[in-house]
Amino acid sequence: ELKVEQNPLFLSMQEGKNYTIYCNYSTTSDRLYWYRQDPGKSLESLFVLLSNGAVKQEGRLMASLDTKARLSTLHITAAVHDLSATYFCAVGPNNNDMRFGAGTRLTVKP
Amino acid sequence: GAVVSQHPSRVICKSGTSVKIECRSLDFQATTMFWYRQFPKQSLMLMATSNEGSKATYEQGVEKDKFLINHASLTLSTLTVTSAHPEDSSFYICSARDFDVTGELFFGEGSRLTVL
Repeated sequence: ELKVEQNPLFLSMQEGKNYTIYCNYSTTSDRLYWYRQDPGKSLESLFVLLSNGAVKQEGRLMASLDTKARLSTLHITAAVHDLSATYFCAVGPNNNDMRFGAGTRLTVKP
Repeated sequence: GAVVSQHPSRVICKSGTSVKIECRSLDFQATTMFWYRQFPKQSLMLMATSNEGSKATYEQGVEKDKFLINHASLTLSTLTVTSAHPEDSSFYICSARDFDVTGELFFGEGSRLTVL
């Protein structure tokens, strides 16, 4: 059974600081996704990573994928308050359904 | 990106009644849709895979007679919560995969069900 583990589950950061969220998964997958969820809202797609070594950046967020290590990271650079949200990684092997990590609740403090 | 619309966004009902939630893919055809359930401060839990023109595939522990899924067309899947109870109160989210867009999964806005 595919397992997706995210850490940390809770993250409190000061504005301007950097941090990384980790996502480990248990079986081979050809794609990994990162989503953002604001309270009371649905999921917003951030990144789709399709191959080993893939790196994508959008603003202060950068995601990478190491399929050999079955590890993806979401790096936050110079955090700002607007980044406060819950971030989920998800793995969807072979076009099947997705399995989600537990989520990382990020709070950015002034 | 592709758009998935879910309706209603909020619904409040009395115990024992049935509630239907619709999930539509607006600009693409979705042979497969997925229904997730999310409890407060928790992750998404897959309930079932909805297959156009055939029976849904339910995850272990999900009662198929309780959560009826119908996928009658390539753009519409419905989830009916039958004889709802307070413990069914949750955030229900549907998604559909657009294979023309790297197989990415697009999510509806979610439906918050409150059973009194």
